[in-house]
This record gives sequence, structure tokens and C-alpha cells, in this order.
Amino acid sequence: DTAVSQTPKYLVTQMGNDKSIKCEQNLGHDTMYWYKQDSKKFLKIMFSYNNKELIINETVPNRFSPKSPDKAHLNLHINSLELGDSAVYFCASSPGLRSSYNEQFFGPGTRLTVL
Amino acid sequence: AQKVTQAQTEISVVEKEDVTLDCVYETRDTTYYLFWYKQPPSGELVFLIRRNSFDEQNEISGRYSWNFQKSTSSFNFTITASQVVDSAVYFCALSEADRGSTLGRLYFGRGTQLTVWP
Repeated sequence: DTAVSQTPKYLVTQMGNDKSIKCEQNLGHDTMYWYKQDSKKFLKIMFSYNNKELIINETVPNRFSPKSPDKAHLNLHINSLELGDSAVYFCASSPGLRSSYNEQFFGPGTRLTVL
Repeated sequence: AQKVTQAQTEISVVEKEDVTLDCVYETRDTTYYLFWYKQPPSGELVFLIRRNSFDEQNEISGRYSWNFQKSTSSFNFTITASQVVDSAVYFCALSEADRGSTLGRLYFGRGTQLTVWP
């Protein structure tokens, strides 16, 4: 059973296109996150949602829009893709913001390549 | 300023050597959590350990051990008798939990690439 799943695993697209990455967790967690890992492996948070409520919205271009239809899903939509958006995007979940066991469990990542 | 510093960018060892990965953190919060994650060549991020700021006991899990020292703001990770399968990028991370801090935000270090040669 996959705890945190992401689709697709690989995404190759042209500049200017719009694309979405889906994330689902079956851990019963309340909180979900999106991270971006750049070519130098640096991981930085983009967004977090707790029970479908936006908690963290880092300095991310407006072209990136997260959507959480329910607490088990957090999708990431990207408009007008640019070359600099090429990266690995990780979804993660944790039991809850105030839980003492707040380790985050990560999905397998989506490698986005913008040509 | 970086909240988590992993000064070692790359480390190479030969199998069966012990290796220590350094992590230094910076926070004003009294309640915080520290983590180590492993990212093998396959790319996924694997949770290894969580430590809270009130628990300075060292932890051992098989060949892995962690040394948390608040006095030096360090949370170092030692692999004993390293194996080729330990080759990965290892990330140290910090989460702050005092009132007013943004709960759930993980600050990652830049990672240490560990290569274990046969």
C-alpha cells in the first residue's frame, strides 16, 4: 500500500503549457505539503494545507496554484510553464500541525522537465 | 540565514568504515523538532528519525546512531560499518513549534552526498 502517491512520476512538457500534478495520501493525515527540489537537491517548501485550509504559501509565483478537494488530496496546478520550473516536486503529509509526531512522509516525487 | 547547515557537501568512504554526517541548526524557539531523511539514488525521501528539543538522549537503531547536543545546536548522524546501500543524499531538517512559528514548516539543510565504495 502506497502511503503518499503522486502522479505522474515524470512530466515532460513545452514552455507555456499548463500542467497538474496530483497527490493522494491514505495515512489519514490532516496536513499535506508541496516541496520543490532544484537541480542542486535543495528542498524548499511551497505550500501546506491543514484540513483543506491553506497554512503556508511561500514566495511562489502565482502561476502555481494548489487545490485540496479533501484532506487526503493536494493537487498542484502550474500555468504557463517556464524553463525554471524544471525540478522534482514532492508531496508530503503529516499527522497534523499540532501533533507531537509531526514527521512528514513524502511521495515518490514528480520530475518535471520544461523544454 | 540558513536555519540548518550541513557543511559536508560530499563524503566518500570505503565499506565498513564509520562515517558521521554533521548537522548544525539555528532557532530561537524552545520547542522544535529535528529530522534526518535519506534520499537514495532512486529519488524518494525516506524518513529516518525525529527528535524533539526536550529529548537529548542519543538514539541508536541498528548501524545508525544520532547525537543531539543542544549546547552546540548539533544533531549529528553516524553510520557504523557503512555499506554500499547507504550511498545516498542525507538531509537534516528543522521544524519550529513555539507559538507564533509556522507549524509544519520543515527547513532542510542542503544535504550531504554519501558515497560508500565497495
